[in-house]
Amino acid sequence: GAVVSQHPSRVICKSGTSVKIECRSLDFQATTMFWYRQFPKQSLMLMATSNEGSKATYEQGVEKDKFLINHASLTLSTLTVTSAHPEDSSFYICSARNIRTGGKSYEQYFGPGTRLTVT
Amino acid sequence: AQSVTQLGSHVSVSEGALVLLRCNYSSSVPPYLFWYVQYPNQGLQLLLKYTTGATLVKGINGFEAEFKKSETSFHLTKPSAHMSDAAEYFCAVSGPWAGNMLTFGGGTRLMVKP
Repeated sequence: GAVVSQHPSRVICKSGTSVKIECRSLDFQATTMFWYRQFPKQSLMLMATSNEGSKATYEQGVEKDKFLINHASLTLSTLTVTSAHPEDSSFYICSARNIRTGGKSYEQYFGPGTRLTVT
Repeated sequence: AQSVTQLGSHVSVSEGALVLLRCNYSSSVPPYLFWYVQYPNQGLQLLLKYTTGATLVKGINGFEAEFKKSETSFHLTKPSAHMSDAAEYFCAVSGPWAGNMLTFGGGTRLMVKP
């Protein structure tokens, strides 16, 4: 149980285009989803937190107009990188949390990540 | 504010040797503590966690960690390293006062020599 998937696993796009990354909770309802960014050989940095049906909360320094997050359902959140540039190339990881139906609020389940390369 | 420090960005051990990955945290109240493992180009997998109760926590793959409040530490150990343990390990802290948001340490890359 508690499986989170991401799609695509890898994506290459040209500079100036937009790319959408999906994060799905496969066997539970994700009341909250998190988006992290990880540069090579570095730790995870939280970009934003999204609660189902409401606007995402972005961490300081993260451009909300560039990284659009939608959490329209209890099983799906999307991250759209708009007008991507080479410096946006990174590994993006989502995680999901379920505090309903007995889920512990401190438990996060991580997706496998998406490698974005902007050329 | 909470923070996590992992001493040693790289740790190398021989196969069969003891694994010790260090993690110290700063938190004004007892935190929740986690160890995650990340294999190349993959997401994070939870190894173990401490929330309340017994301070020695056993996890998957033979790993364990001990919460020592007096030392503000949560070091990860494994008695005998396997080649398959080679990966990146992250210590993380969270707590109800911070909305249970995870704060990660910088990570430690474990290398296992044959």
